[in-house]
Amino acid sequence: EDQVTQSPEALRLQEGESSSLNCSYTVSGLRGLFWYRQDPGKGPEFLFTLYSAGEEKEKERLKATLTKKESFLHITAPKPEDSATYLCAVRDTGFQKLVFGTGTRLLVSP
Amino acid sequence: NAGVTQTPKFRVLKTGQSMTLLCAQDMNHEYMYWYRQDPGMGLRLIHYSVGEGTTAKGEVPDGYNVSRLKKQNFLLGLESAAPSQTSVYFCASSPGLAGAKNIQYFGAGTRLSVL
Repeated sequence: EDQVTQSPEALRLQEGESSSLNCSYTVSGLRGLFWYRQDPGKGPEFLFTLYSAGEEKEKERLKATLTKKESFLHITAPKPEDSATYLCAVRDTGFQKLVFGTGTRLLVSP
Repeated sequence: NAGVTQTPKFRVLKTGQSMTLLCAQDMNHEYMYWYRQDPGMGLRLIHYSVGEGTTAKGEVPDGYNVSRLKKQNFLLGLESAAPSQTSVYFCASSPGLAGAKNIQYFGAGTRLSVL
């Protein structure tokens, strides 16, 4: 059974304090790993998709990386507006659905 | 471009009542999905559709029915609501499955309370 585990559950950073969020996954055949951002009271917003180990993608202060067992979302010099819940999801070769982790709640204080 | 629109945004039901949640997308996407999000559980797939006139069960389909009579609309029905169905419901759509087409775009959610 596909599984996605995100850590930590919650993370509090000072503005400018860089850190990383972890997404560990178990699938029989990875067809994509997805990162979403979710603000309170809103739906998930797509950030990145990664397909193979070694792949990296960047967007502003965010950088996503992928290995065969996990993905990291690196946040460089975060700002308060980066505060949100970050969700990780995977798609298996045999299924048409995404399996989501429970997310990491990030709070960036000024 | 509105993307994915969900109606209503909030609803309170009594146990045993029925209701329909509407999802509309204006991106001409083939695939549509209904998820529920509960604290500590993550998003879980209820039902999905791979095209107009088709539906399929997801991870947690019991107590729900769906219909996709038009490509742009995906309806989620609760025939007899139960307190366990108190949740936030999200609709999503994607162009397809291959590569970048697999990216799912989400609506803003419907917050449902069943008393």
